[in-house]
Amino acid sequence: QSALTQPPSASGSPGQSVTISCTGTSSDVGGYNFVSWYQQHPGKAPKLMIYDVSKRPSGVPDRFSGSKSGNTASLTVSGLQAEDEADYYCNSHAGTNNYVVFGGGTKLTVL
Amino acid sequence: QVQVQESGPGLVRPSETLSLTCSVSGGAITSHYWNWIRQPPGKGLEWIGYIVYHGGSTNYSPSLKSRVTLSMDTSTNQFSLRLTSVTAADTAVYYCARGDWSSWLDPWGQGTLVTVSS
Repeated sequence: QSALTQPPSASGSPGQSVTISCTGTSSDVGGYNFVSWYQQHPGKAPKLMIYDVSKRPSGVPDRFSGSKSGNTASLTVSGLQAEDEADYYCNSHAGTNNYVVFGGGTKLTVL
Repeated sequence: QVQVQESGPGLVRPSETLSLTCSVSGGAITSHYWNWIRQPPGKGLEWIGYIVYHGGSTNYSPSLKSRVTLSMDTSTNQFSLRLTSVTAADTAVYYCARGDWSSWLDPWGQGTLVTVSS
């Protein structure tokens, strides 16, 4: 079970949109509509932002959206705000053994 | 609203066993999947495993399977992690989190730093 692949960094100016990718295989991201995204500020616990590819938990701003195409899932943050600067991680249900696999994380910088 | 909180020693000697407990409030651990995840300092998240009440089923990361045991106690609404034969590579912030078969994790505990050192 290999980690999902995320770009190490992404950036954008306030008000802009930025998209973070999460690439897996047909055994995880591509095989199930079970990709989640987490936001982690320094020294804090991760927070669920997107689940089941594109669903938002209650309280998460609609500036955050998720999608998937083939083996790659994406998180888009629209109307960037300073407080969106954080690390973002994806995870997915993986394989017939029902493992959980994470991406390596992407540091989002708001310029 | 469900809340989870990790507890346990912050320092473990090399070759010994790391033991942590996660206390759950606001909901029963007889539903959902109960996960442990860790994060070495400055690094990414690593899933350790989960336990499910029904059937007492567990599932562990292949990389840790030989050293990990998860258990749960419904009388105290807690679940626990045991990791044997620890080394410095096991130094990390350990999180517990509620999950589901679809692998979303929410909520997370605040995390507890465990350092492996003599």
